[in-house]
Amino acid sequence: LAKTTQPISMDSYEGQEVNITCSHNNIATNDYITWYQQFPSQGPRFIIQGYKTKVTNEVASLFIPADRKSSTLSLPRVSLSDTAVYYCLVGGSGGYQKVTFGTGTKLQVIP
Amino acid sequence: SQTIHQWPATLVQPVGSPLSLECTVEGTSNPNLYWYRQAAGRGLQLLFYSVGIGQISSEVPQNLSASRPQDRQFILSSKKLLLSDSGFYLCAWSKEGGGQPQHFGDGTRLSIL
Repeated sequence: LAKTTQPISMDSYEGQEVNITCSHNNIATNDYITWYQQFPSQGPRFIIQGYKTKVTNEVASLFIPADRKSSTLSLPRVSLSDTAVYYCLVGGSGGYQKVTFGTGTKLQVIP
Repeated sequence: SQTIHQWPATLVQPVGSPLSLECTVEGTSNPNLYWYRQAAGRGLQLLFYSVGIGQISSEVPQNLSASRPQDRQFILSSKKLLLSDSGFYLCAWSKEGGGQPQHFGDGTRLSIL
């Protein structure tokens, strides 16, 4: 399984754009990159998934360079409710998504 | 739409007692199912996953076992709980096939006394 490296924590002011970068040097050819958000005492919530280039949905964008050895989750204009832990996962090759959750990035949004 | 149910939300058990946590999924068929454990302030540790009825793969040798008696039912069990079994247990499902994101239940907070 590909290992991921993310910053342990980040602070941001309300209304700013937040970019969280994840390194995954050993990503396999068929692996997908998936980001989750977790609030205290809740299960992680799927945010966005991509394979290459850029993916955008209603809550975030995911930027993946051509070599796919890293990815950046972009949250536009964060609010206090975006304070959470964000996990970057790499995997999914084969018939099931066997992935490894790291410790994630704790994002603190400041008023 | 698909939903996942996990219960109970909290559980306090004495050391040496048995455990049974249940997870059910609605609105999909033949899902991949997962059990995770999360220690306080830590990431999620995959305990078991299943790609079909009766098919269980264990990721970490431990005091726990899992079973999948029905297509959309996943059960986490223990015959004798240890103090180290305390934690936040999460069930998740994904569509069959590679590259499918996982969708999590609300978790069970298990405290062993």
